[in-house]
Amino acid sequence: AQSVTQLGSHVSVSEGALVLLRCNYSSSVPPYLFWYVQYPNQGLQLLLKYTTGATLVKGINGFEAEFKKSETSFHLTKPSAHMSDAAEYFCAVSDLGVVRSGSNYKLTFGKGTLLTVNP
Amino acid sequence: NAGVTQTPKFRILKIGQSMTLQCTQDMNHNYMYWYRQDPGMGLKLIYYSVGAGITDKGEVPNGYNVSRSTTEDFPLRLELAAPSQTSVYFCASTLYPGNTIYFGEGSWLTVV
Repeated sequence: AQSVTQLGSHVSVSEGALVLLRCNYSSSVPPYLFWYVQYPNQGLQLLLKYTTGATLVKGINGFEAEFKKSETSFHLTKPSAHMSDAAEYFCAVSDLGVVRSGSNYKLTFGKGTLLTVNP
Repeated sequence: NAGVTQTPKFRILKIGQSMTLQCTQDMNHNYMYWYRQDPGMGLKLIYYSVGAGITDKGEVPNGYNVSRSTTEDFPLRLELAAPSQTSVYFCASTLYPGNTIYFGEGSWLTVV
């Protein structure tokens, strides 16, 4: 079974500071990994994803994440936080091993990390 | 572009009532999902579907039912509503595994 652990339910940074949101996963097969962002009272929006290939993935709004197989991690970073980055962020994993025609492809989400940005 | 559309956005139910949350997507996606989101708990999968006529249970299916008669629609039925079903519900869809999963804007349900 796959699982996701997000370290820190709440992260607070100053505007202009580095953003680091941590995500560790458990999967018996090579995973697909995702970061989603949720603004208040809205649905989830994809920030970035890793499926295969380059382990450093760039997403929207200046975010990036690096897949580290040896550490089973997929941490999200942004060099300089903006006030508009304040939101809840979710890491998600799906087992590549079950990805085939007719398979039960689905995502398992972490519990989320609320990011606040202080002026 | 409409994407994934959920209705209603807000609903208050009394204990024991039933209702259906509607979800439709116009992207011809095969895979559709229903999640519920509770504070501090992330998203939990209720039911999912890999195509018309095919549905299966997720992590928390008790108290819910789904159907998938068409590719576009994936309604979620709550029978005999209970306070534990107070939550925010999200419908989502994707074309194929590994592709972006698109979410609706959510349905806020309160059971009193």
